[in-house]
Amino acid sequence: DIQMTQSPSTLSASVGDKVTITCRASQSISRYLAWYQQKPGKAPKLLIYKASTLEGGVPSRFGGSGSGTEFALTISGLQPDDFATYYCQQYYDYSPLTFGGGTKVEIK
Amino acid sequence: QVQLQESGPRLVKPSETLSLTCTVSGYSIKSDHYWGWIRQPPGKGLEWIGGIFHSENTYYNPSLQSRVSISLDTSKNHLSLQLSSVTASDTAVYYCARVQGADFWSGFYWAKGDVKYMDVWGKGITVTVSS
Repeated sequence: DIQMTQSPSTLSASVGDKVTITCRASQSISRYLAWYQQKPGKAPKLLIYKASTLEGGVPSRFGGSGSGTEFALTISGLQPDDFATYYCQQYYDYSPLTFGGGTKVEIK
Repeated sequence: QVQLQESGPRLVKPSETLSLTCTVSGYSIKSDHYWGWIRQPPGKGLEWIGGIFHSENTYYNPSLQSRVSISLDTSKNHLSLQLSSVTASDTAVYYCARVQGADFWSGFYWAKGDVKYMDVWGKGITVTVSS
C-alpha cells in the first residue's frame, strides 16, 4: 500500500492567516493526489484533485501544489468556515486508495 | 443534482454480516463513474473499502477483500455493501460516494480503468458492532 503522511496533525491559526498542510507519499504518485475538507459530523468534501486543480465551487483561497512524493495544501486568508479537518488521498494505485491521517485546523 | 443516501441497520452483532444500501438520486449508476464505499472509525481517519463499475468490475481494499462484497442494482439505482464476520473494529461511519474514473470497453470485455477520487458523498451512516 502507498502510505500517506500528513503534517502537522493539528494546526492552530487565526482568521486571515495563511496556512500550509503537507502530505508525503511513501513512493512517487506523480500528481495523482486529492484533498478533502471534513467538518464534524459531516461527509468529506472534495477540494482539489490532480494535486492542484480546484473542484468547482471551491474558493480560490485554496491552493494545491506538489508532485512525486511531496504535496501541499495552502489556504490563503483563513476564513471562519475553513476550520475543519483536511485529508489528502492518493489515486496513483487504486489497490487500495489511501488517505493521509488528517490535519485539524483549529482556532488559535 | 446528484444525491446519495446510505441506509441499513445501525447495530450489528459480532460475527454477523453488515449490509448497507446507498440510494442514488439525480444520476444513473449506469453512467461512466465508479461507485464506492469508504468508512471512518470514531475519531479516526478515512479508509477505502471498495468500489464498483456498471461493468460489474469490483475494486476491493485487499485488507478487506475476503469479507467484502459490493454490488449494483441498476433497476433501483442503488449500490450495496456487505461486510461479513464483523467485529468491534468494524464500528464506523460508512459513506458511499461517486468516484471519478471509468472502466473501458476493449471490444470484447470491460477492462479495468483508473479509480480516482470521490467527488460526491452521501451523508454517512453510523454502524456499531456490539452484542
